[in-house]
Amino acid sequence: QVQLVQSGPEVKKPGASVKVSCKASGYTFINYGINWVRQTPEQGLEWMGWISPYNGKTHYAQKFQDRFTMTTDASTSTAFMELRSLRSDDTAVYYCARGIWVGQARGGYLDFWGQGTLVTVSS
Amino acid sequence: DIQMTQSPTTLSASVGDTVTITCRASESISSWLAWFQQKPGRAPKLLIYQASTLQSGVPSRFSGRGSGTEFTLTITGLQPDDFATYYCQQYNDYSWKFGQGTKVDI
Repeated sequence: QVQLVQSGPEVKKPGASVKVSCKASGYTFINYGINWVRQTPEQGLEWMGWISPYNGKTHYAQKFQDRFTMTTDASTSTAFMELRSLRSDDTAVYYCARGIWVGQARGGYLDFWGQGTLVTVSS
Repeated sequence: DIQMTQSPTTLSASVGDTVTITCRASESISSWLAWFQQKPGRAPKLLIYQASTLQSGVPSRFSGRGSGTEFTLTITGLQPDDFATYYCQQYNDYSWKFGQGTKVDI
């Protein structure tokens, strides 16, 4: 069965960086996209970006593209996200989610999600 | 930048009721809309994609309709397991945006 298992909770100081991993299993990793979505009580669900493990192509939400990087390692079926210059309002649960690309849409939908990783930014 | 607006924000219902949640897009998104269910402390779960296609394993009491800018999610015969928060999400033109959510409670 499809599973996405994320790394554990993180506590970071303002200005630091955080890296979260997402290990996929139960499907052919390079055949699907990986998305990153975060959730806060204030902003709700925010889509951050999409990466294709097949060719490394990325789409970033404009809000995050200056300090957010997504990568993948096909040899371990693992996706990574790094968020830099952390602020207190980056405190959120970060999810990875598998994406199914729909060419006609120039987009895709998210069908399976990881369990979420709580990132707390506090001095 | 496309905006997704859901209504209502909260919906009170009883087991067995039929409930409908509306999601409006600020511009046409054709049928490129998904619906998710989320329970506290859990990740969202995909219910419907392409506005009306039921994800595998999702009960048939969930249905979706719409195209363009107006979409609905209907739950026919609400079950105890259905009390949760529901989100719509558009996915087109290299843009992904969620609605703010509708909480269905007892």
